[in-house]
Amino acid sequence: SQKIEQNSEALNIQEGKTATLTCNYTNYSPAYLQWYRQDPGRGPVFLLLIRENEKEKRKERLKVTFDTTLKQSLFHITASQPADSATYLCALEYSGGYNKLIFGAGTRLAVHP
Amino acid sequence: NAGVTQTPKFRILKIGQSMTLQCAQDMNHNYMYWYRQDPGMGLKLIYYSVGAGITDKGEVPNGYNVSRSTTEDFPLRLELAAPSQTSVYFCASSGSEVDTQYFGPGTRLTVL
Repeated sequence: SQKIEQNSEALNIQEGKTATLTCNYTNYSPAYLQWYRQDPGRGPVFLLLIRENEKEKRKERLKVTFDTTLKQSLFHITASQPADSATYLCALEYSGGYNKLIFGAGTRLAVHP
Repeated sequence: NAGVTQTPKFRILKIGQSMTLQCAQDMNHNYMYWYRQDPGMGLKLIYYSVGAGITDKGEVPNGYNVSRSTTEDFPLRLELAAPSQTSVYFCASSGSEVDTQYFGPGTRLTVL
């Protein structure tokens, strides 16, 4: 079965530094991958989508890479701010259509002033 | 636009009771989804719909039922609630096959 793994331990970084979050997957070749942000007690909010034929995608201070050989995506937040503190979820498209997603458990990011 | 709305926000059920979780979207999206999120786990797809009258099972459908009579509404029915159904339930919608999913605020359900 498909498996998707994100760092279960929280990532603590200093304000202004770059945060890098990892998403690894096995037993599947997704056509695209998405990253979401989730704050406590709220629903996930979409951040970025990257397709299998794209190596890198950027949006403001966010950057996502997608390596289909390594079966890995990296999510970067540059010049991080305390307001970036949240849980970040990686999600893969699965089962060939209808935008069905399988989600990782998420990595909690804490940015300290 | 209100986006995706869910009711209720919180609910406590006794074992064996039934209830319906409501979900509505005002973005005219064809695709709608129900997920559950357990502590420390990823969201798991329960059911999904690709349009009015069309629904299908996701990863974890047992113990749940859905219907989609309109584009806007996608209710999730729990029959004979069990403690294993204690979770946070999220509804989401999407405008196309490769697209953002917009999530509702969630319903926190406890079954005692």
